[in-house]
Amino acid sequence: QKEVEQDPGPLSVPEGAIVSLNCTYSNSAFQYFMWYRQYSRKGPELLMYTYSSGNKEDGRFTAQVDKSSKYISLFIRDSQPSDSATYLCAMLHNAGNMLTFGGGTRLMVKP
Amino acid sequence: EADIYQTPRYLVIGTGKKITLECSQTMGHDKMYWYQQDPGMELHLIHYSYGVNSTEKGDLSSESTVSRIRTEHFPLTLESARPSHTSQYLCASRDTHTEAFFGQGTRLTVV
Repeated sequence: QKEVEQDPGPLSVPEGAIVSLNCTYSNSAFQYFMWYRQYSRKGPELLMYTYSSGNKEDGRFTAQVDKSSKYISLFIRDSQPSDSATYLCAMLHNAGNMLTFGGGTRLMVKP
Repeated sequence: EADIYQTPRYLVIGTGKKITLECSQTMGHDKMYWYQQDPGMELHLIHYSYGVNSTEKGDLSSESTVSRIRTEHFPLTLESARPSHTSQYLCASRDTHTEAFFGQGTRLTVV
């Protein structure tokens, strides 16, 4: 079983919808959590970086971490066609140097 | 915006040729990584470095080699390219307890 699980999708939503993307993890040592957006044939772009449990908001994006459930989420409000991409979660534990990535969820926002 | 650069962006090369993919960052990060990613697939770690003169192989077996002579520079070399090396190669860097930033990637095609 992988340390980080992410539904590959594709997730198809209409423009304007609220999107919820999720990752679960098994290693309780993970302390740092990241969300990346990757357009086709491009490098991943950092969207959100969180450390503690709770919510962090940046524009239309909200990252949520629930360490007790080993579950993280990324919410996208008022989704746009330009949000169509693959979203990757990544995690890092306090003592480690290695990032652990989820497999990515492909999102399609239809006009 | 992340200051991490990869060159070339695209490369088509014949079988048996030696190639070097360049990665440079100007953020002074001590940790650098190389990932391989096929279209629509997961990231696979092939090499990483925790600092100058430190290099390690990643989870995915790779016939490539890396060097870290300077903090800002982490080139990846294939001594003899084969069609099976056709893929996208992504470089990333980070500092301790911080998020990772990616370059735009090099798309390699070996014919």
